[in-house]
Amino acid sequence: GESVGLHLPTLSVQEGDNSIINCAYSNSASDYFIWYKQESGKGPQFIIDIRSNMDKRQGQRVTVLLNKTVKHLSLQIAATQPGDSAVYFCAENPNSGTYKYIFGTGTRLKVLA
Amino acid sequence: DGGITQSPKYLFRKEGQNVTLSCEQNLNHDAMYWYRQDPGQGLRLIYYSQIVNDFQKGDIAEGYSVSREKKESFPLTVTSAQKNPTAFYLCASSMGSDEQFFGPGTRLTVL
Repeated sequence: GESVGLHLPTLSVQEGDNSIINCAYSNSASDYFIWYKQESGKGPQFIIDIRSNMDKRQGQRVTVLLNKTVKHLSLQIAATQPGDSAVYFCAENPNSGTYKYIFGTGTRLKVLA
Repeated sequence: DGGITQSPKYLFRKEGQNVTLSCEQNLNHDAMYWYRQDPGQGLRLIYYSQIVNDFQKGDIAEGYSVSREKKESFPLTVTSAQKNPTAFYLCASSMGSDEQFFGPGTRLTVL
């Protein structure tokens, strides 16, 4: 299988519990943020996004919180399921006038049965 | 189905060889990107293209080359000048600066 994420921080959560994954972003000018999910050996998948004029956004079982004061982003997953096991990473658009994003290194989520 | 495809899924290269990774999208996105992913690191940008017939170097462009002759296609060539090419390569596309959609990736191994 794919060895991506071999040395990443790991969050282990019991099935059915809620998960919280954190991300510190780097640029105070960033105006758009995305959470991606990446399963082993696959490409990242979009989960949820949020713009800088919002503090919170909810999707299906997922919520993203944005704290611009401390440049912090979090992803909350409700009722974590085995299929949620993956690497999660955040991306920020630094509003630099180009389409370039800055990507976090990611957190591995392990769901315990 | 609209999407972004990469081929091959696995690629093996002998030292000194150039290899080309394919990336195609039918999402009508104007921008395309190539990233390299290594264990324990975030995605690193190799090259990106915001419009056909134009592309810019990313953070780790040395030893790589690209072309953007068609909107749908953005192939990446890993040249023999790339000293440590073994990695997982991801292609992505976007409409402007909106979210990037990723392909399934190509795992390149140097023998």
